[in-house]
Amino acid sequence: DIQMTQSPSSLSASVGDRVTITCRASQSISTYLNWYHQKPGKAPKLLIYAASSLQSGVPSRFSGSGSGTDFTLTISSLQPEDFATYYCQQSYSTLKYTFGQGTKLEIK
Amino acid sequence: QVQLVQSGAEVKKPGASVKVSCKASGYTFTSYDINWVRQATGQGLEWMGWMNPNSGNTGYAQKFQGRVTMTRNTSISTAYMELSSLRSEDTAVYYCARPLGWTNWFDPWGQGTLVTVSS
Repeated sequence: DIQMTQSPSSLSASVGDRVTITCRASQSISTYLNWYHQKPGKAPKLLIYAASSLQSGVPSRFSGSGSGTDFTLTISSLQPEDFATYYCQQSYSTLKYTFGQGTKLEIK
Repeated sequence: QVQLVQSGAEVKKPGASVKVSCKASGYTFTSYDINWVRQATGQGLEWMGWMNPNSGNTGYAQKFQGRVTMTRNTSISTAYMELSSLRSEDTAVYYCARPLGWTNWFDPWGQGTLVTVSS
């Protein structure tokens, strides 16, 4: 199975900061990479699909890039509502999806 | 709007089975797969498997093969995930989700169902 590794596992940042989270796949997955965030007690919510496409309704401060094995999620200017846990997900392996272990973004 | 609504929390004893439902609305139920993902307390997301509501075909993560069964009732637009031989490590929130598009992103997700396995 394809393994997904996120870094860092946790991150402290301040409102207004620029933040980057990395996701690495154990083999090439083209751009079959999606990003979600999750707040405590809530279901995950889609942010970015196909590595770089912004889901409708998601603020433009979120952006994604990458292809092959290395991907990044960037938040250009952190807002209070962005403090959450972020997950990447590969969907290249047909019907055998896997998630990264998550990155917890906390307020500094 | 497109929505997935799951059944309520369950408490089960070790060795028992649990069946969680996921009712779809706002779209044609048989046109999209349903996937199941679980999350133990304080842990990450773990993909369990998929079901095609039109054909009934399924695919399960190797970890759950032999213990999980995904079914559906098309007349009421509802998918089901049954997990048997429960153990304490199965205590988790279970989510259903609909895959979309060419990279099968998950949107929407159900609200989650907490399954607690305790003697």
